[in-house]
Amino acid sequence: AQSVTQPDIHITVSEGASLELRCNYSYGATPYLFWYVQSPGQGLQLLLKYFSGDTLVQGIKGFEAEFKRSQSSFNLRKPSVHWSDAAEYFCAVGDGGTYKYIFGTGTRLKVLA
Amino acid sequence: GAVVSQHPSWVICKSGTSVKIECRSLDFQATTMFWYRQFPKQSLMLMATSNEGSKATYEQGVEKDKFLINHASLTLSTLTVTSAHPEDSSFYICSAGWGTHSNQPQHFGDGTRLSIL
Repeated sequence: AQSVTQPDIHITVSEGASLELRCNYSYGATPYLFWYVQSPGQGLQLLLKYFSGDTLVQGIKGFEAEFKRSQSSFNLRKPSVHWSDAAEYFCAVGDGGTYKYIFGTGTRLKVLA
Repeated sequence: GAVVSQHPSWVICKSGTSVKIECRSLDFQATTMFWYRQFPKQSLMLMATSNEGSKATYEQGVEKDKFLINHASLTLSTLTVTSAHPEDSSFYICSAGWGTHSNQPQHFGDGTRLSIL
């Protein structure tokens, strides 16, 4: 069965530091992968997506993610974090046969001034 | 582009009443809409998938008679929580997409916080 694991429940970084959020997936075929961000009390905003092609994907707000098939990973990165990046981040894999997503449990990012 | 509007953003009501939540795609036609429920500090739980003009497909364990979903047009889906009770209090989020396959991203509304007294 498909699954998504985000090993880190909480991450704290200092403003200006680099960031990497981990995501591992289990899926039989080539996955459709997504990263979303959720600010408190709000819905989810799409940061970036991977369907095929270049394994390094650029997204909005300076984020990027790299798809590594050998490691079944799709980690999200940002070279320099801003205080406004504090939020909950969700990795999701699309169920290719349907339109459903399988979400990870999320990583809550705290940014220290 | 791809804006999804959800209304209301917050609702408080008495136990036993029914509450309707609207989800609208403002600048695209949503072939498929999804309804999720999110408990505090947890991930999203898919409740149901709805396609315009057809009955919603509910996930296992979701009560169809409790959570009524209507997808009457390509821009509007509604979730009605019938005879709501305190245990139905939660954050409900809709999403919409113009495809029928996961190679099209879902676009999310801002959610509705439902509090049942």
